[in-house]
Amino acid sequence: KAGVTQTPRYLIKTRGQQVTLSCSPISGHRSVSWYQQTPGQGLQFLFEYFSETQRNKGNFPGRFSGRQFSNSRSEMNVSTLELGDSALYLCASSLDGGKGEAFFGQGTRLTVV
Amino acid sequence: QQQVKQSPQSLIVQKGGISIINCAYENTAFDYFPWYQQFPGKGPALLIAIRPDVSEKKEGRFTISFNKSAKQFSLHIMDSQPGDSATYFCAASTGGFKTIFGAGTRLFVKA
Repeated sequence: KAGVTQTPRYLIKTRGQQVTLSCSPISGHRSVSWYQQTPGQGLQFLFEYFSETQRNKGNFPGRFSGRQFSNSRSEMNVSTLELGDSALYLCASSLDGGKGEAFFGQGTRLTVV
Repeated sequence: QQQVKQSPQSLIVQKGGISIINCAYENTAFDYFPWYQQFPGKGPALLIAIRPDVSEKKEGRFTISFNKSAKQFSLHIMDSQPGDSATYFCAASTGGFKTIFGAGTRLFVKA
């Protein structure tokens, strides 16, 4: 069974640009959550999608958005990038989210210069 | 109220010793408490999880102790090995499908 796949693994962008990250969950999993991981703030919840609907979101500005497709693949977009957006972005998939085991991808390392 | 406080920030243990990491929460709506292990360059991996209707759960060398009244839970790693050296995160979630993570504990097991 393939694991959670995140692409790209590494990304360098310039301030003001926008970026789209992709996450393919484990086959059969319908919930995808996104997290931002930084040394200073730890793992912070961005949002969670289930069956193409956002069910919950964290305390991030509107520049951070996401979506989920009918095949459960998810993308997150960050517009007008700031230096502080440099982080490891992780997605996690689970069968139904919340109370079940979540499997994380290896993350996308975003560097904003 | 949504925070999960984790301590210590870092921990050094001798091989064969017991590693203990503690977490505390405020929100009594949390009803699922997983622990994750993360190695450098990898995403977190679920280690063990507990629900508040039990006070202890053991899987191999890893044990979660849960104190519902004190709103605290802890991870014990028995017979710690150098391969256990990693960052450990406690977490808590509710039916709202939102998981809150602790700040992480960097464990180093000395050979």
